Amino acid sequence: TQLLEQSPQFLSIQEGENLTVYCNSSSVFSSLQWYRQEPGEGPVLLVTVVTGGEVKKLKRLTFQFGDARKDSSLHITAAQPGDTGLYLCAGEYGNKLVFGAGTILRVKS
Amino acid sequence: GAVVSQHPSWVICKSGTSVKIECRSLDFQATTMFWYRQFPKQSLMLMATSNEGSKATYEQGVEKDKFLINHASLTLSTLTVTSAHPEDSSFYICSACTTGRGQPQHFGDGTRLSIL
Repeated sequence: TQLLEQSPQFLSIQEGENLTVYCNSSSVFSSLQWYRQEPGEGPVLLVTVVTGGEVKKLKRLTFQFGDARKDSSLHITAAQPGDTGLYLCAGEYGNKLVFGAGTILRVKS
Repeated sequence: GAVVSQHPSWVICKSGTSVKIECRSLDFQATTMFWYRQFPKQSLMLMATSNEGSKATYEQGVEKDKFLINHASLTLSTLTVTSAHPEDSSFYICSACTTGRGQPQHFGDGTRLSIL
């Protein structure tokens, strides 16, 4: 069974602060995806990282894939209240996605 | 593009009722569809994988007779929760993708199921 450990589970910060969310596994994934989910809605894909060591930036969000393709991180710079939500990492294994437990982010103004 | 529509958005029904949830790919052909279950403030747990025209593959611990999946066309998969009970109350989400390694999954907006 492929497991993806995501941390922290819950993060409450002030507007303007930086934060990092981590996903770690002992398994190698062919790709790793990050999603954001609002209550009562399906997850929305933010980014897919495929190559070990890859770094992708999406405005204030920076995503990194570990060299061994077993771990990934999401860094948000100068967080805003609009960043509040559930962030999920998901590793692609075969034709399936294995999801991390999720990080509930709350950004207070 | 790549829109997945899920219906209904939410349903409330009495214990013992069977409930059908539809998942449609609106602008692409989905050879594979996935059904997930999500409890409040938790992650998505894969229930089953369905390929068009063949039987669904269920994850360990998921009762196939309880959660009936049909993927009769390239644009529609259905999940029927049979004889639903309060413990089946959850948020059910489908996703769809086309054939090919690395093809992204496109998620529906989920169905909130509440069994009284």
